[in-house]
Amino acid sequence: GDSVTQMEGPVTLSEEAFLTINCTYTATGYPSLFWYVQYPGEGLQLLLKATKADDKGSNKGFEATYRKETTSFHLEKGSVQVSDSAVYFCAPSPNKLIFGTGTRLQVFP
Amino acid sequence: DAGVTQSPTHLIKTRGQQVTLRCSPKSGHDTVSWYQQALGQGPQFIFQYYEEEERQRGNFPDRFSGHQFPNYSSELNVNALLLGDSALYLCASSLAASGSTDTQYFGPGTRLTVL
Repeated sequence: GDSVTQMEGPVTLSEEAFLTINCTYTATGYPSLFWYVQYPGEGLQLLLKATKADDKGSNKGFEATYRKETTSFHLEKGSVQVSDSAVYFCAPSPNKLIFGTGTRLQVFP
Repeated sequence: DAGVTQSPTHLIKTRGQQVTLRCSPKSGHDTVSWYQQALGQGPQFIFQYYEEEERQRGNFPDRFSGHQFPNYSSELNVNALLLGDSALYLCASSLAASGSTDTQYFGPGTRLTVL
């Protein structure tokens, strides 16, 4: 069945460090790919998306590229801030969103 | 432009009771999906409604049912509540015409506690 695998958290970084959160998926056909973020005590917010192979989604300094050959959609940011501390979810969407357990990011000053 | 709204914010029920959760989609959206998020887990897809019909369903028992109204708002009903139904219930709306690239926008959720 359709599934997604994210790196285990928590990921702990110092401010201004480089961030990578790995995401691989198994899904029918060529799904759209999404990253959602959940800040403490809040609902899910769309961070970025890509709808076809080699597309790069970007927002707020975060980037992810749709890699069809490796079925991956890794999230990167060049310099994280304390305010980026949250849980990040990679979610392919063949026709509905499929979430993994998420990756908690903790950024310390 | 109002986003997705859900009510109530919190709810406490006892085992065996029934509950109804409500969702109003983002303006201009016609499709509503419901997700269950247990503590420390990712959201799990329950079902999706479009044109007042259930379009697809996840792996949830028949105790979970829903409805969509002509104004696109939606309800989630859970019967015979179990302790394991305690979770954050998220509603998401989208536009069917966007097809497979449709972006789902989430509401703040309803926190259900079953005692």
